Amino acid sequence: DQQVKQNSPSLSVQEGRISILNCDYTNSMFDYFLWYKKYPAEGPTFLISISSIKDKNEDGRFTVFLNKSAKHLSLHIVPSQPGDSAVYFCAASVGLSNFGNEKLTFGTGTRLTIIP
Amino acid sequence: DVKVTQSSRYLVKRTGEKVFLECVQDMDHENMFWYRQDPGLGLRLIYFSYDVKMKEKGDIPEGYSVSREKKERFSLILESASTNQTSMYLCASSLGTDTQYFGPGTRLTVL
Repeated sequence: DQQVKQNSPSLSVQEGRISILNCDYTNSMFDYFLWYKKYPAEGPTFLISISSIKDKNEDGRFTVFLNKSAKHLSLHIVPSQPGDSAVYFCAASVGLSNFGNEKLTFGTGTRLTIIP
Repeated sequence: DVKVTQSSRYLVKRTGEKVFLECVQDMDHENMFWYRQDPGLGLRLIYFSYDVKMKEKGDIPEGYSVSREKKERFSLILESASTNQTSMYLCASSLGTDTQYFGPGTRLTVL
């Protein structure tokens, strides 16, 4: 039962254009969402997060949008750069007031390739 | 700067062997996690620990056990390795509800 889904296993984008990575979730208890980036032979590194009380969070070239009614979040990268080529995982966790909220549920990942 | 280290980057073991994967973090984090990453399946949580000597099952604990005798160290144990445990194993740590920081991973091959 995949509670966090990334339906696009791969995505290719021209350098300088916008990259949009999508993530859907089924558990309505999730209220904190994160994006991680992973290069080959390295562990994932945290990129950006958003709480369910917001619908947008921006950090430089990276913006995460959350649509709670659709149970959908997306990561926008503008402009895309060759160093952005990596696998991107979205992750979600359940309410900060609950024991076990540190536990993250990850999606299956999307491999982003930026074409020079 | 948080550092999470894993004892081996690559490991090759035979079916039936007992395998130990070690993880050490240097930031006094109370939470530690073990995941495996497989193509098309993403990261799946095996076990996690909130404190020394405490452990909780994740989503796929079968065939694994863990040990946390010291705060900085979290070990994953495969009691009798099987070929379906060939995977990339990732350790992570976090402070409270903050971001999880990951180690570089151990690619385990079971022949």
